[in-house]
Amino acid sequence: EAQVTQNPRYLITVTGKKLTVTCSQNMNHEYMSWYRQDPGLGLRQIYYSMNVEVTDKGDVPEGYKVSRKEKRNFPLILESPSPNQTSLYFCASSQQGYGELFFGEGSRLTVL
Amino acid sequence: AQKITQTQPGMFVQEKEAVTLDCTYDTSDPSYGLFWYKQPSSGEMIFLIYQGSYDQQNATEGRYSLNFQKARKSANLVISASQLGDSAMYFCAMRESGYGQNFVFGPGTRLSVLP
Repeated sequence: EAQVTQNPRYLITVTGKKLTVTCSQNMNHEYMSWYRQDPGLGLRQIYYSMNVEVTDKGDVPEGYKVSRKEKRNFPLILESPSPNQTSLYFCASSQQGYGELFFGEGSRLTVL
Repeated sequence: AQKITQTQPGMFVQEKEAVTLDCTYDTSDPSYGLFWYKQPSSGEMIFLIYQGSYDQQNATEGRYSLNFQKARKSANLVISASQLGDSAMYFCAMRESGYGQNFVFGPGTRLSVLP
């Protein structure tokens, strides 16, 4: 089954404790992206990647890191999480240049 | 720069009636794709419908249709015979065609279907 898998789905952590949200897709997609969603603010793009080793900042990259060492994986790293990073996070992937965006189920992160 | 506008933060519709959710976009590229996604209260993002800029006919998928008016740069989603399960957040998105193009999302419209 074609899918984008994110883990963890739910996480409560504390300020400053590094965490990684993994994202993996099995559709051989070149394009991958991370979004955060907060009430009233819609979807805001954090980082995106057009291909392996190619990443670019989105609208709200501060406090986040990403890497794209393999085509299927695009982890989101919070080096020192802060409460303002409490949010619902989505990973998504797509063919390069065409086709819809496939979303993961979302990861709800709470930083205390 | 690409931009998507959804001017209706919230809408109400009576069950079994049709509803139109507005979306306007801005691009200078002649080749692009337009997408609609649904996000129910459970949180997942569900792809609904796609329209290519060169498609001659409006896209349809079951009860969903896309009213594409290229000259006006609008891509409104029409939901016919609304159901209670249609209550959700709806996002319009666009991507210009070709290598290296990013997706752009609108702010969304919250639709509430009344019994």
